[in-house]
Amino acid sequence: AQKVTQAQTEISVVEKEDVTLDCVYETRDTTYYLFWYKQPPSGELVFLIRRNSFDEQNEISGRYSWNFQKSTSSFNFTITASQVVDSAVYFCAPTNQGNLIFGKGTKLSVKP
Amino acid sequence: DAGVTQSPTHLIKTRGQQVTLRCSPKSGHDTVSWYQQALGQGPQFIFQYYEEEERQRGNFPDRFSGHQFPNYSSELNVNALLLGDSALYLCASTNTDYGYTFGSGTRLTVV
Repeated sequence: AQKVTQAQTEISVVEKEDVTLDCVYETRDTTYYLFWYKQPPSGELVFLIRRNSFDEQNEISGRYSWNFQKSTSSFNFTITASQVVDSAVYFCAPTNQGNLIFGKGTKLSVKP
Repeated sequence: DAGVTQSPTHLIKTRGQQVTLRCSPKSGHDTVSWYQQALGQGPQFIFQYYEEEERQRGNFPDRFSGHQFPNYSSELNVNALLLGDSALYLCASTNTDYGYTFGSGTRLTVV
């Protein structure tokens, strides 16, 4: 069955700390995309990063970086030098037959 | 370039009533998906529309139906509302490049 496991329900850090959000997924697709979204209290899902399953090169985009390991179906996301504005719920979402599957998310609180 | 627009923002309905939610996709997107997000949960896929037809459907009862118009906008209809239908309903649009864009959602409260 397709599903997403974000084992960390809540994380609390102090501003400027680095934080890594874990994600393990299952999808029926042999090729797929992986996404990270951020959801502030306003409710809108804000796109952060996207990766395709046949490119395991890990990259850095500003304060964001990710570690994709297809062999273990993990797609972890790191925020460097966290800021208070990073406080939100973060969702990892793989595609599955053209749609996105979401886990329960990880609530990140960044304190000043 | 406008993103995904959803209306209304908030809605309160009584059990047993019917509701219609609306979504205008991002310019250049032709596919619309609807998701239900209960409090404290991740979004759950309801269905997807492409070329005015329902292309895929998640595990939701027939009380949930939809429509897509020639301009790619979409409606989500829920009949015989239950208390458990209270949630944030999110619309996402995309095209063949798998760039999913979400709207701000409609927060439905059933009393």
